[in-house]
Amino acid sequence: KNQVEQSPQSLIILEGKNCTLQCNYTVSPFSNLRWYKQDTGRGPVSLTIMTFSENTKSNGRYTATLDADTKQSSLHITASQLSDSASYICVVTPTGGSYIPTFGRGTSLIVHP
Amino acid sequence: EPEVTQTPSHQVTQMGQEVILRCVPISNHLYFYWYRQILGQKVEFLVSFYNNEISEKSEIFDDQFSVERPDGSNFTLKIRSTKLEDSAMYFCASSEFLAPDTEAFFGQGTRLTVV
Repeated sequence: KNQVEQSPQSLIILEGKNCTLQCNYTVSPFSNLRWYKQDTGRGPVSLTIMTFSENTKSNGRYTATLDADTKQSSLHITASQLSDSASYICVVTPTGGSYIPTFGRGTSLIVHP
Repeated sequence: EPEVTQTPSHQVTQMGQEVILRCVPISNHLYFYWYRQILGQKVEFLVSFYNNEISEKSEIFDDQFSVERPDGSNFTLKIRSTKLEDSAMYFCASSEFLAPDTEAFFGQGTRLTVV
């Protein structure tokens, strides 16, 4: 069964600090991996999309890495801001007939001033 | 900036009633999706739709659910006889191409409460 596990479940950091969120997946065969930011009560917003051949992708202060061999991804946030407080969701989409994505439970990030 | 819009933002309905959730995808997008998120749980895929047909559906999308594109702009999700466990946030999304190769844009969601 396809699974996406994220850690930590929640994280509290001070404004200006960096942090790294983790995602492990068992989806195979694998098409792409996305990181989304979801503010409370809102729809997810895409941060990065990586195919199996990519190992890093940046979007401003967000940098995602992917190791397709170990089936691990990370999202690094640099110089955190209060507005980074949100849930960060890892989503993996398979290939080979079905494109139904599997969502992780998300990491809840709180940035304190 | 183009966006996916969903109405209503919050819907309260009695168990057993039919509800229709409405979505207006981004105008040049061809692929449409519905997802749900039960409070405190992860987002779950329900269905994808292209060229007036369902492309894929999950196990959640049983006979109680249906989707329709009644005109050139709207995309609807109907739940025929709501159950308490249908209470969730329902997100519509759209993409220009098939989602694995392109970004899907989500709406702000409709919070459905079944009482």
